[in-house]
Amino acid sequence: GIQVEQSPPDLILQEGANSTLRCNFSDSVNNLQWFHQNPWGQLINLFYIPSGTKQNGRLSATTVATERYSLLYISSSQTTDSGVYFCAVPPYSGAGSYQLTFGKGTKLSVIP
Amino acid sequence: GAGVSQSPSNKVTEKGKDVELRCDPISGHTALYWYRQRLGQGLEFLIYFQGNSAPDKSGLPSDRFSAERTGESVSTLTIQRTQQEDSAVYLCASSLGPGQGWGGYTFGSGTRLTVV
Repeated sequence: GIQVEQSPPDLILQEGANSTLRCNFSDSVNNLQWFHQNPWGQLINLFYIPSGTKQNGRLSATTVATERYSLLYISSSQTTDSGVYFCAVPPYSGAGSYQLTFGKGTKLSVIP
Repeated sequence: GAGVSQSPSNKVTEKGKDVELRCDPISGHTALYWYRQRLGQGLEFLIYFQGNSAPDKSGLPSDRFSAERTGESVSTLTIQRTQQEDSAVYLCASSLGPGQGWGGYTFGSGTRLTVV
């Protein structure tokens, strides 16, 4: 199956700083999502981004499918950005777009 | 409903008892997924339902785990003879299905299961 690696595993930021989270995957995919799990455990869908670039406020994401990676950018970080960021892709190349395998996540802590 | 609803939010059970967890997906979402998340870990796929098709049960960890879904409505995940290693948060998600434009998962708030 497709392997998903996220880096860094842990990240501590001063409030206001920018950061880039990376997701590498081992095979071609037709689907990729980024999620944020807040400290209370709620999982929020940030981006559905199998290719290209999308932006939503202070967050943006870019997926370069041909090179098998995706990046999540967080600008002007806030304490509410703290939590775990997960990247998810289909479990194997050619799988329907509807089942996802999750990486182990990047734990982000934003300190005031 | 407006979001994915899971119940109960918390469940404490004694080892060996059976438990049933419920997920009510977003209205119109034909696809429904169950995941398990152990403390400090990532999400582990359990089962996937799409409309009236046979479910993908490839992630169920043992025959003590089963799930049902009637049509495109509520799903229940049943764990029989619970063990301490079953302690985890059980997360349900729903999405549009094939031909509907997908758009990504929406997760419920989860059921925190503690087996004592």
